[in-house]
Amino acid sequence: QKEVEQNSGPLSVPEGAIASLNCTYSDRGSQSFFWYRQYSGKSPELIMSIYSNGDKEDGRFTAQLNKASQYVSLLIRDSQPSDSATYLCAVRFSGGYQKVTFGTGTKLQVIP
Amino acid sequence: EPEVTQTPSHQVTQMGQEVILRCVPISNHLYFYWYRQILGQKVEFLVSFYNNEISEKSEIFDDQFSVERPDGSNFTLKIRSTKLEDSAMYFCASNGLAGGETQYFGPGTRLLVL
Repeated sequence: QKEVEQNSGPLSVPEGAIASLNCTYSDRGSQSFFWYRQYSGKSPELIMSIYSNGDKEDGRFTAQLNKASQYVSLLIRDSQPSDSATYLCAVRFSGGYQKVTFGTGTKLQVIP
Repeated sequence: EPEVTQTPSHQVTQMGQEVILRCVPISNHLYFYWYRQILGQKVEFLVSFYNNEISEKSEIFDDQFSVERPDGSNFTLKIRSTKLEDSAMYFCASNGLAGGETQYFGPGTRLLVL
């Protein structure tokens, strides 16, 4: 069974701090990784995709991928109260056609 | 900016009734999906659809479920005889190209089966 694992949290950080969200996955052959943000009662909203080892930055967000360790993370710099949401890690596993498999999500709370 | 739309936003039905959830994917996308999320649980894949046929389906997608693309724009999920455990948020998603393209999600339909 191919799995995506996340710490459910909640992760609490003060406003302005760096939030670090982590995700591990079970299939070493996976190639595509996504971070989505989900506010309560709303649909997943893409933050970032990453396909290669290393870091990818977009504004206050940095995704980090380490395929050897089967680990992907998301850093949020200068966290804002509006960043309070559940962050979903999603992986397209090898041989999985187009579907993505989601983790349970990490709930982030940014304290003003 | 193009977006995936879904109707209705909320649907309440009696157990055993049929429901049809509707989606309009982004117009130039080729792959279409249904996912569901039971309250407090993770987003789960149901089915993917490409070139007018199902390309993959999960164990959840049993005989009570069906999908259809009746015209060039709509993509529907039919649940033939709803059960209490079908109560969930149903998300439609679409993407354009094979291998690595991001899936964009619609706002969802909240289905409540009584």
